[in-house]
Amino acid sequence: NAGVTQTPKFRVLKTGQSMTLLCAQDMNHEYMYWYRQDPGMGLRLIHYSVGEGTTAKGEVPDGYNVSRLKKQNFLLGLESAAPSQTSVYFCASSSLLGGPTTTGELFFGEGSRLTVL
Amino acid sequence: AQSVSQHNHHVILSEAASLELGCNYSYGGTVNLFWYVQYPGQHLQLLLKYFSGDPLVKGIKGFEAEFIKSKFSFNLRKPSVQWSDTAEYFCAVNALGNTPLVFGKGTRLSVIA
Repeated sequence: NAGVTQTPKFRVLKTGQSMTLLCAQDMNHEYMYWYRQDPGMGLRLIHYSVGEGTTAKGEVPDGYNVSRLKKQNFLLGLESAAPSQTSVYFCASSSLLGGPTTTGELFFGEGSRLTVL
Repeated sequence: AQSVSQHNHHVILSEAASLELGCNYSYGGTVNLFWYVQYPGQHLQLLLKYFSGDPLVKGIKGFEAEFIKSKFSFNLRKPSVQWSDTAEYFCAVNALGNTPLVFGKGTRLSVIA
């Protein structure tokens, strides 16, 4: 099983360039998330989606946009990259939250390391 | 808003020493609690989780955690660490309902021979 797959795994950008990170999951999960991981800051939620066609802001949404056109895919876009967006980005997915048999456990991708010069 | 505090930023232990990593959360309602581990260069993997029942939860690789509701705590323990436990450990919580997981800042564990 592939689980959660992120592409690309590494990318170097110049300030002002744009790019899109792609996340794909094959577990038929309703929920998908984008986190960024920075030293000493843990994981911070950027945006998330509770289903196809929906998106919501997380803790640190500024400078990012997302789209969930298909249930299995969640795209993270940087329209004009800044050095402060140098980070490792993790995509995750989970089944429905709040039900009696679900716990919101997240399944993570391998991460995408982005450097903005 | 929910928040998670992990008390130790970096813990250094010798092999066979006992481990306890602290985790406290701020939320008054019913919660699901998790510990994730991230080995060097890898993604996060679930170590254990609590959502109901016995407050002492056993996970993989000999780890366990105890949920103490009155203290809003979910500390991670292991009786005897190994060099291969060197990793970063993250505590996370979500409230029942449609809320994403909130992570602590992580604790880096270094196990030395």
